[in-house]
Amino acid sequence: EAGVTQSPRYAVLQEGQAVSFWCDPISGHDTLYWYQQPRDQGPQLLVYFRDEAVIDNSQLPSDRFSAVRPKGTNSTLKIQSAKQGDTATYLCASSFGRGSNERLFFGHGTKLSVL
Amino acid sequence: QQKVQQSPESLIVPEGGMASLNCTSSDRNVDYFWWYRQHSGKSPKMLMSIFSNGEKEEGRFTVHLNKASLHTSLHIRDSQPSDSALYLCAASMRAEGADRLTFGKGTQLIIQP
Repeated sequence: EAGVTQSPRYAVLQEGQAVSFWCDPISGHDTLYWYQQPRDQGPQLLVYFRDEAVIDNSQLPSDRFSAVRPKGTNSTLKIQSAKQGDTATYLCASSFGRGSNERLFFGHGTKLSVL
Repeated sequence: QQKVQQSPESLIVPEGGMASLNCTSSDRNVDYFWWYRQHSGKSPKMLMSIFSNGEKEEGRFTVHLNKASLHTSLHIRDSQPSDSALYLCAASMRAEGADRLTFGKGTQLIIQP
């Protein structure tokens, strides 16, 4: 079974530049998550989708971050005008099922450095 | 303040020894606890989950949960060098399942050959 695929693996930006991250979840997984993992910290949920609908984006810095999943499959997370504080690994995860039957499958992540 | 606290921050255990990792939630609304393992440069992978008081064992791994104190612990017996990784504890509410996991900062485990 193919896992969660993310690209690019690495990105290096100057402050003020924009960047997009792409995620292809496991086929058939209806729920897709974007997490931010700063160095030496645990992942922090940014936004998640059920099919194409945004369920919770309350932790997404809405002025500079946006995320879409237009057909309920692949997803794109975009950062406009990146800041040094955005330096982190951005993890995409997908799941199927609910409650105690649910488990997240993570991609390898995109490691972002903002200089 | 971090809602999920893990201790210790780092732990060195000799090969073949027992590793014990702790996790406590300060959010009394949580019901479910999850343990993920993240090898250096890799993605987190779920190890075990526990939702009821008591103990759950899978191979060399045992998880305990005390819901009254919202404390869970992970024990790894006969530790192997391949167990060296960042161990992440996460918590969620029953109604949300794995939808809104709150992760701790993790325990960095090093198994010394």
